[in-house]
Amino acid sequence: AQKITQTQPGMFVQEKEAVTLDCTYDTSDQSYGLFWYKQPSSGEMIFLIYQGSYDEQNATEGRYSLNFQKARKSANLVISASQLGDSAMYFCAMRGGNTGKLIFGQGTTLQVKP
Amino acid sequence: NAGVMQNPRHLVRRRGQEARLRCSPMKGHSHVYWYRQLPEEGLKFMVYLQKENIIDESGMPKERFSAEFPKEGPSILRIQQVVRGDSAAYFCASSPYQGYEQYFGPGTRLTVT
Repeated sequence: AQKITQTQPGMFVQEKEAVTLDCTYDTSDQSYGLFWYKQPSSGEMIFLIYQGSYDEQNATEGRYSLNFQKARKSANLVISASQLGDSAMYFCAMRGGNTGKLIFGQGTTLQVKP
Repeated sequence: NAGVMQNPRHLVRRRGQEARLRCSPMKGHSHVYWYRQLPEEGLKFMVYLQKENIIDESGMPKERFSAEFPKEGPSILRIQQVVRGDSAAYFCASSPYQGYEQYFGPGTRLTVT
């Protein structure tokens, strides 16, 4: 069975510092995709970054980067130069099976301190 | 290009009533996924539909829940005889192809009183 684990229920970071949000996954598929979404207090789901299992380079999107370690089955999100607007819930997700449905972790609440 | 639309954004139902949640995918997208988010939890997959077909309903509760995506019009998630435990945020996401990136709607917050 496929599974996503986020072990940090809550994190704090000082404004302008970098923070790493942990995500580990379990799958027997050779081909899969890993996603990070941000959910602010307003509730919408905002796509941040994607990593394919065959991608050799870590994905980057602006201040977001994904630290992909395939052998360890981890896909940590790194946010550089944190901003107050980064305070939100962050979800790691994996695209599983043939249908493309997403399997989500429990989420990590990030609070950025001024 | 409008994004994924969901309505209503907020829905209040009394126990035993029916809830109908609508999702209009992005233009050109024929694949729709429904997810449910219970309070303080991550999203859980419910059902995956293509136009006029249910492809994967492995996450749907066996009773009271149904979904459709007709040839014309939005996808509908229908919950009959709602109970308090159905209170949640329901998100739909659309995709142009199976397995491609999914774009989420703003969600419908269902409250059962």
